[in-house]
Amino acid sequence: NAGVTQTPKFQVLKTGQSMTLQCAQDMNHNSMYWYRQDPGMGLRLIYYSASEGTTDKGEVPNGYNVSRLNKREFSLRLESAAPSQTSVYFCASRVPRGLSYGYTFGSGTRLTVV
Amino acid sequence: SQKIEQNSEALNIQEGKTATLTCNYTNYSPAYLQWYRQDPGRGPVFLLLIRENEKEKRKERLKVTFDTTLKQSLFHITASQPADSATYLCALDAGGGADGLTFGKGTHLIIQP
Repeated sequence: NAGVTQTPKFQVLKTGQSMTLQCAQDMNHNSMYWYRQDPGMGLRLIYYSASEGTTDKGEVPNGYNVSRLNKREFSLRLESAAPSQTSVYFCASRVPRGLSYGYTFGSGTRLTVV
Repeated sequence: SQKIEQNSEALNIQEGKTATLTCNYTNYSPAYLQWYRQDPGRGPVFLLLIRENEKEKRKERLKVTFDTTLKQSLFHITASQPADSATYLCALDAGGGADGLTFGKGTHLIIQP
């Protein structure tokens, strides 16, 4: 099925460990996004990529890095995980702005940092 | 500062009635406003998009209004069903050079049989 695929679905890390969250979309979208969702905070934008080879910071980029490997894949890396990064992470992609379609989200990665 | 407000308390509606959810925003001039549905443990699912020059948009039992003077959007579900129970998120796209949606915290809707 067409859509956004995220891996892994669940992960537990120890403080200071690193990991990469993977995201791939098969809809030929140019723009891709990483959000985090915390209770009482709503979804907050971490980084986005308007096209292959470009990335930009969102609202909460500290502690994260991203790579737009190709048009399909956009990964999020935690170099040294902290308990404050415990959250649910969502990847999303979209058609060009202006069309009457919204974002397509993945099913999320639930990350716990202990 | 920019702010998007949705009713943070759960909204309980009897089956068959119309559910109306509110999204208010301040210090924004959004080009687009979008509504999403989110079920527990799942990612948000896009429902409707309305542009700043549109007053109303409909899709099946859903209707969205957008009042840029009041800085408010209303989201209506007519003939509500228990399957409509979920959290509904309002999101703004400011347009221009900055990309990415800014989301409200969502309203939890419960449709009671």
